Amino acid sequence: EDQVTQSPEALRLQEGESSSLNCSYTVSGLRGLFWYRQDPGKGPEFLFTLYSAGEEKEKERLKATLTKKESFLHITAPKPEDSATYLCAVERGSEKLVFGKGTKLTVNP
Amino acid sequence: GAVVSQHPSRVICKSGTSVKIECRSLDFQATTMFWYRQFPKQSLMLMATSNEGSKATYEQGVEKDKFLINHASLTLSTLTVTSAHPEDSSFYICSASIGLEGETQYFGPGTRLLVL
Repeated sequence: EDQVTQSPEALRLQEGESSSLNCSYTVSGLRGLFWYRQDPGKGPEFLFTLYSAGEEKEKERLKATLTKKESFLHITAPKPEDSATYLCAVERGSEKLVFGKGTKLTVNP
Repeated sequence: GAVVSQHPSRVICKSGTSVKIECRSLDFQATTMFWYRQFPKQSLMLMATSNEGSKATYEQGVEKDKFLINHASLTLSTLTVTSAHPEDSSFYICSASIGLEGETQYFGPGTRLLVL
């Protein structure tokens, strides 16, 4: 069965304190791994798509990496506006996404 | 990135009534649209996949007669919750893609449904 597990469930950082979020997955035939940001009461906002092990993508203070079993979302020198829930999802074919439960990030000023 | 809208953003209705939620892709043609449900502090659960001009494909455990989906054009899909009950109260979110494996799904802002 396809599974996506994100850790930690919640993370509190001080502004400027870098850290990483983890997404481990088991899926037969990975078509793509997606990272989204979700603010309370809003729909997910697309961040990155990764397709193969070794691939990396960056956007401002965020960097996503992918191995054969997991993905990391690295946050460098976060700011309070980076506070959100970060969701990881894998596509298991037929364009269907399986989501993890997310990591709720809080960045204190 | 691509923009997807949903309407309404919030709806309160009485038990037994039906509610229609619209999902539109504003700046691209969405061959495939998806409907998700999200309960508090839970992740998104896929309810159904719809392709323009064909019947929706429902996930296991989702009642197709209760959650009617229509994908009439490449920019519009609707979800109708029929005879809504309090247990249908949830956050409903749609997404849209150009319809190829590995392509990004872009999400709408969501619709909060409260059934009294």
